[in-house]
Formats: sequence, structure tokens, C-alpha cells
Amino acid sequence: GAVVSQHPSRVICKSGTSVKIECRSLDFQATTMFWYRQFPKKSLMLMATSNEGSKATYEQGVEKDKFLINHASLTLSTLTVTSAHPEDSSFYICSAKGTSGTREQYFGPGTRLTVT
Amino acid sequence: KNQVEQSPQSLIILEGKNCTLQCNYTVSPFSNLRWYKQDTGRGPVSLTIMTFSENTKSNGRYTATLDADTKQSSLHITASQLSDSASYICVVTFSGGYNKLIFGAGTRLAVHP
Repeated sequence: GAVVSQHPSRVICKSGTSVKIECRSLDFQATTMFWYRQFPKKSLMLMATSNEGSKATYEQGVEKDKFLINHASLTLSTLTVTSAHPEDSSFYICSAKGTSGTREQYFGPGTRLTVT
Repeated sequence: KNQVEQSPQSLIILEGKNCTLQCNYTVSPFSNLRWYKQDTGRGPVSLTIMTFSENTKSNGRYTATLDADTKQSSLHITASQLSDSASYICVVTFSGGYNKLIFGAGTRLAVHP
């Protein structure tokens, strides 16, 4: 089956610093990747949609300068949280949609970000 | 407004028992409905996916049903195991806008020995 990985799985950073999260599709090409945020005991909230080679589309209320997304290749998208604040602490999950077949979305295992 | 509502919010059952989780949606136009299992601290894993023409879909001890007329779905878990403890999320694809996924809030299931 299709596998999506995220790195790191956990990260702790200090306020004011930036942190980068990688999302990779390991065995398929993904023209579209999605970034979600999940608060404790809540469901996933779509932050942005990224298409390979073009600018990401952000959902209403998500600051594009705060959450930088780069979809550099058909297998890699990155989310950079800039000038992190404690309220950015959350669980970030990516998903990738394949270029063929059912075009199912496959989710990564998530990254737990803690900003101190 | 496109929404997905799940019930109950949380559920505790004893190992070996069956349970049924509910999902009601108002998403239109509708492409498909998925049930995901999400373990704590992990990403969602797909259990079933159904289009509007499908009434039931099974995956091992998981059986999902869909009534597209009443816009209701259920996920039935048979002979529960401790490893079934997780959140179960109902997700409906909104086909009117780039196939956007509309997530329910999930049902947190705890299976006790």
C-alpha cells in the first residue's frame, strides 16, 4: 500500500525559532499534498493544499507567512512554522494524493510540535 | 453548510462486545464517504470507502453501511479487541470543490478488558 512518512515525528523548539516538517510519499508520486493541524481530542483541520511546482492554497484564517509550504518535488512537501509561538504547539499531519488509480489520500503518521 | 456529525462522542465497551458508531452528513454534492481509524499520536488509517451507490463495505471485523438518501452512515465493529481503542473518523468528500474532505469530529472508542 501507499506509504507517507513525516519527519520528525516529534520536535521541541523555543519561541521565536523556525521549525521545518517534511512529508514524503515513499512509493508513489503525489501531485497534491495536504497539511492538517489537529488539536487534542479534535478532528483534523485543513491548513493548506500544495501542488507540485506551484504556490500552496491556504484555508481561510491560516497565515501563509507563518506557515510556509514548499512542494519541491512529486514526493516531498515541507511545512515551515516560522517564528514559532507556544500556541503553534499542535499535531501536524500531512496527506498525499496519488497521480493515478483511485487518487486516494494517504495520511502520514503526524508530527508533534511543542513550542516552549 | 457542509457538515459531518458523529455520535457518540466517546464510547467505552468491554472486550469481545460489538458496537456501532454513527455518522450523519449534510455534504452536497457528495462523492464518497470514508471511515478512518486514528490511534493516539498517529495519522488516520483508512478502513472503508464507499460511493453513493454502495450500501455496505466490510474490512475484517469492521462493516460500514451507507444510506445516501438519509445521508447516514454507520461503522459496526464486531468482537472488539483492545487494539480497537482509537478515534474513528467519518470523512465525506465534497465533490463540488476540488474534492475537499469534510471531517467529522470522531468517536473515541475505549475497549476495556
